Amino acid sequence: DQQVKQNSPSLSVQEGRISILNCDYTNSMFDYFLWYKKYPAEGPTFLISISSIKDKNEDGRFTVFLNKSAKHLSLHIVPSQPGDSAVYFCAASDGGSEKLVFGKGTKLTVNP
Amino acid sequence: KAGVTQTPRYLIKTRGQQVTLSCSPISGHRSVSWYQQTPGQGLQFLFEYFSETQRNKGNFPGRFSGRQFSNSRSEMNVSTLELGDSALYLCASSLGAGAGSPLHFGNGTRLTVT
Repeated sequence: DQQVKQNSPSLSVQEGRISILNCDYTNSMFDYFLWYKKYPAEGPTFLISISSIKDKNEDGRFTVFLNKSAKHLSLHIVPSQPGDSAVYFCAASDGGSEKLVFGKGTKLTVNP
Repeated sequence: KAGVTQTPRYLIKTRGQQVTLSCSPISGHRSVSWYQQTPGQGLQFLFEYFSETQRNKGNFPGRFSGRQFSNSRSEMNVSTLELGDSALYLCASSLGAGAGSPLHFGNGTRLTVT
């Protein structure tokens, strides 16, 4: 039973365009959401997070949107750069727990 | 600031053996978590330690255990290894304050069981 789902295993975009990565969750107790980026042979790197009391959080080229009624969040990267090519993981936690539940990841390829 | 350090990076063991993995968290971080990453299951939570106490535990058999020392360093042990234990084991540290305290991961230990 996957509580966090990333339904697109891969995404390909052109450099300079917007990348939109999507994530759905089923557990209504989740109140903190994060995005991580992972390069091969490295651990995941924290990108951006959002609390359930917000619906948007921005950090430079990265913006995360949260739609609680739809149990859906998305990560927007604009403009996309070739260095953004990596696997992106969505993760969620509840009640201040350090335990994260991860989606299975979306491989983003940004073509020059 | 040094990141999370995991040793060793690679390990090959035989079925039935046991293994110990080590993790040094970011200085000042008191929470250490362990995750298993496999192609089929993705990243799965093993357990979390805070101030030398296990605070959370995932759905793994008792062969998987861990501990945390007073300097926040942590070790994870897997006994009676099975082929299915082959995975990337990731350690992550944080301040331990829950929401608003993101996990920072090490580069992992790649365990192969033959």
